[in-house]
Amino acid sequence: KNEVEQSPQNLTAQEGEFITINCSYSVGISALHWLQQHPGGGIVSLFMLSSGKKKHGRLIATINIQEKHSSLHITASHPRDSAVYICAVPLLDSGGGADGLTFGKGTHLIIQP
Amino acid sequence: GAVVSQHPSWVICKSGTSVKIECRSLDFQATTMFWYRQFPKQSLMLMATSNEGSKATYEQGVEKDKFLINHASLTLSTLTVTSAHPEDSSFYICSASRGSGTRQETQYFGPGTRLLVL
Repeated sequence: KNEVEQSPQNLTAQEGEFITINCSYSVGISALHWLQQHPGGGIVSLFMLSSGKKKHGRLIATINIQEKHSSLHITASHPRDSAVYICAVPLLDSGGGADGLTFGKGTHLIIQP
Repeated sequence: GAVVSQHPSWVICKSGTSVKIECRSLDFQATTMFWYRQFPKQSLMLMATSNEGSKATYEQGVEKDKFLINHASLTLSTLTVTSAHPEDSSFYICSASRGSGTRQETQYFGPGTRLLVL
């Protein structure tokens, strides 16, 4: 069973700052997910990546499979980026098809104007 | 594309009653659907995996007779909490995957259902 650790647990920053959230996991995986959860509870899938780096707007996600580590970066942060960011990996990675996920505890990000 | 809806978004019920939550993939066919729950200030936890036309696979510690899952079509899965008790109060969220079966799939999450059992 995969274990997921995220850091930091809480992060408050000023608008415009560069944000980094880290995630490490215990067992090799086929892909890692970064999710965003808003106060109402709804979850948005930001990235699914299995190697290298992905970029979407001001969000960048990287993964190092050998080190079992991933980072989520936010450039030019804005108050609307305030949310909980969650890292998730397959609970039991079958290597193909869809697998149920196990989640990190999340990083509570607050961007102050 | 890839929108998942859940209904209801909020439900309050009395202890001992049953509650049904629906999860629908609106614009794609979902071979696999997952049910998760999240207690306050805790991580999301997988409850069960549901494949269309077959019995759901439950995670350890989740009672299959209490949490009935039906995935009768490629666009609909239902979770019924039978004889709900206050300790079942939680945020229930589903996700759906197209399920190509050949590689890790993106999961599309529903907006969630908040259940409060009095």
